[in-house]
Amino acid sequence: GAGVSQSPSNKVTEKGKDVELRCDPISGHTALYWYRQSLGQGLEFLIYFQGNSAPDKSGLPSDRFSAERTGGSVSTLTIQRTQQEDSAVYLCASSGTGGVDTQYFGPGTRLTVL
Amino acid sequence: GENVEQHPSTLSVQEGDSAVIKCTYSDSASNYFPWYKQELGKGPQLIIDIRSNVGEKKDQRIAVTLNKTAKHFSLHITETQPEDSAVYFCAAPQGTGRRALTFGSGTRLQVQP
Repeated sequence: GAGVSQSPSNKVTEKGKDVELRCDPISGHTALYWYRQSLGQGLEFLIYFQGNSAPDKSGLPSDRFSAERTGGSVSTLTIQRTQQEDSAVYLCASSGTGGVDTQYFGPGTRLTVL
Repeated sequence: GENVEQHPSTLSVQEGDSAVIKCTYSDSASNYFPWYKQELGKGPQLIIDIRSNVGEKKDQRIAVTLNKTAKHFSLHITETQPEDSAVYFCAAPQGTGRRALTFGSGTRLQVQP
């Protein structure tokens, strides 16, 4: 079946611009996660959605970062007034229940802020 | 919150040899420990996981062991092949009731043919 998809695969933007990154989770998965991976680094948690519950935003690095999940499916991560330190690969994952359950990752969006 | 440390950061082995990657965690309540393989330009892919009610799990050439007393878990790859070359990450839940994962810093495995 279809896995997690993300778009765009690559995004180059100028400092100060806003960007939107999209994630389509596996159909039927109720939990959705965003992580960030800086060059050569591990994965850093950003935000987590579980069903209709309030999202866990504890990993967002600043108020320039926000995310939405519409209809319990597609999610958009928005970064306002991008900075060079925002350059990274942004990874989305989904899981079936949000419990202790396997997280399946998408291919990521590589964001470069010039 | 959970803290996961992973060693070594790089590992080079000859084809056919075994590779072992080790992780330690800090939260004694953690109960789920996945391992992910990440190839260049791709997202991480789960290769094996273990839950706290077992001490070892095997899947063909891959095995994971868990020592809850010492709070560490290890990935063992036997009969390594060039296609095993990738970056491997261990992970654990961020904390009690938290679903997001805390990842180790990764191990770059290079299998020399």
